[in-house]
Amino acid sequence: RKEVEQDPGPFNVPEGATVAFNCTYSNSASQSFFWYRQDCRKEPKLLMSVYSSGNEDGRFTAQLNRASQYISLLIRDSKLSDSATYLCAVNSGGSNYKLTFGKGTLLTVNP
Amino acid sequence: DGGITQSPKYLFRKEGQNVTLSCEQNLNHDAMYWYRQDPGQGLRLIYYSQIVNDFQKGDIAEGYSVSREKKESFPLTVTSAQKNPTAFYLCASSLWTKGGEQFFGPGTRLTVL
Repeated sequence: RKEVEQDPGPFNVPEGATVAFNCTYSNSASQSFFWYRQDCRKEPKLLMSVYSSGNEDGRFTAQLNRASQYISLLIRDSKLSDSATYLCAVNSGGSNYKLTFGKGTLLTVNP
Repeated sequence: DGGITQSPKYLFRKEGQNVTLSCEQNLNHDAMYWYRQDPGQGLRLIYYSQIVNDFQKGDIAEGYSVSREKKESFPLTVTSAQKNPTAFYLCASSLWTKGGEQFFGPGTRLTVL
């Protein structure tokens, strides 16, 4: 099992739709989880941090399921500007320094 | 404005040449990282540094070297030993007390001609 795996995508959804991404991780000792957004040819930008069971920020909700070792990102009422690649990142085995990133899921929101 | 800067934005190199990519941060972060991203791929860790004068190899350190002489700076040298250096290079930094949240610079696109 890979350290961090994401839905391969791509996801194509209409404006206003709700879309969810999943990310599984293999290291049960991981303590910190993150979702990043990366626009084409740009750097990743931190979208949400998940330290306990979940986190919500406006239209975005991140959830953590430690028993099944996955995190999810839910985007409600999708906007055209949400089109991007979404990367999940998982802290590596208790260290506060190293993150392992998934390969990302491409989302395109269509008018 | 606090942030992470990388230079140059674009870099072209002839085969057999070493090049150094700059990364500077004024966020007072303890840790700094270098990643490589290839098209359609995730980020792969090259080197990271937790404190000044100390650094560790990541998953793909071969053909690269780094230094950490100052807290603010973590330059990456891509040596001629790196077989496929053409890629997007990203520098990041973090505070260890924040659980590892990493913030990225704008990146350097290196092309080997």
